[in-house]
Amino acid sequence: ETGVTQSPTHLIKTRGQQVTLRCSSQSGHNTVSWYQQALGQGPQFIFQYYREEENGRGNFPPRFSGLQFPNYSSELNVNALELDDSALYLCASSSQGGGQETQYFGPGTRLLVL
Amino acid sequence: AQSVTQLGSHVSVSEGALVLLRCNYSSSVPPYLFWYVQYPNQGLQLLLKYTSAATLVKGINGFEAEFKKSETSFHLTKPSAHMSDAAEYFCAVSDGNGSQGNLIFGKGTKLSVKP
Repeated sequence: ETGVTQSPTHLIKTRGQQVTLRCSSQSGHNTVSWYQQALGQGPQFIFQYYREEENGRGNFPPRFSGLQFPNYSSELNVNALELDDSALYLCASSSQGGGQETQYFGPGTRLLVL
Repeated sequence: AQSVTQLGSHVSVSEGALVLLRCNYSSSVPPYLFWYVQYPNQGLQLLLKYTSAATLVKGINGFEAEFKKSETSFHLTKPSAHMSDAAEYFCAVSDGNGSQGNLIFGKGTKLSVKP
């Protein structure tokens, strides 16, 4: 158990809809990163939030957006869902944003887009 | 840009045999390297990480990895496989510039352990 929680655990949406995924970071951590893991692939970095500001973004379109709240929990929002957005979405928290910091992962939210 | 290559998408060993999972990285700066394990329908759990303190890194569950700069490798080993080691293993390099550190993952190696 890492202390990182995510909700919901599973979600089914249809193409064109919007979805919000939530993540509570481990106590004492101020950085949250989001990853997308397609079936049979390694996780891909979406973006990172450090102290409520975006602190880096991967190669994902603007319809993927996020927020971090004062308690350092975070949301991932995806607009205009596409079939290819079906994946496991993982969030990870760390004590700060540096490269050597260990990221602790939550159990993920599995999204299916029909 | 950093990248990671994991050789072998699927490795099968017998219980009690040596486990060797291969990882090669590409990085223009001294890298931070990580191995994570993922059990079915779960998130990722850190096994070990290299942050330049020592080239041989010991992790949890009897795993260790050796950083070899000349070979740009960070292979994961365990002397004796256990049935509970069956899982998917991911090698990752940190794309860190000091202020951020998103992870770049390999495609993963699925480890099967035969009785």
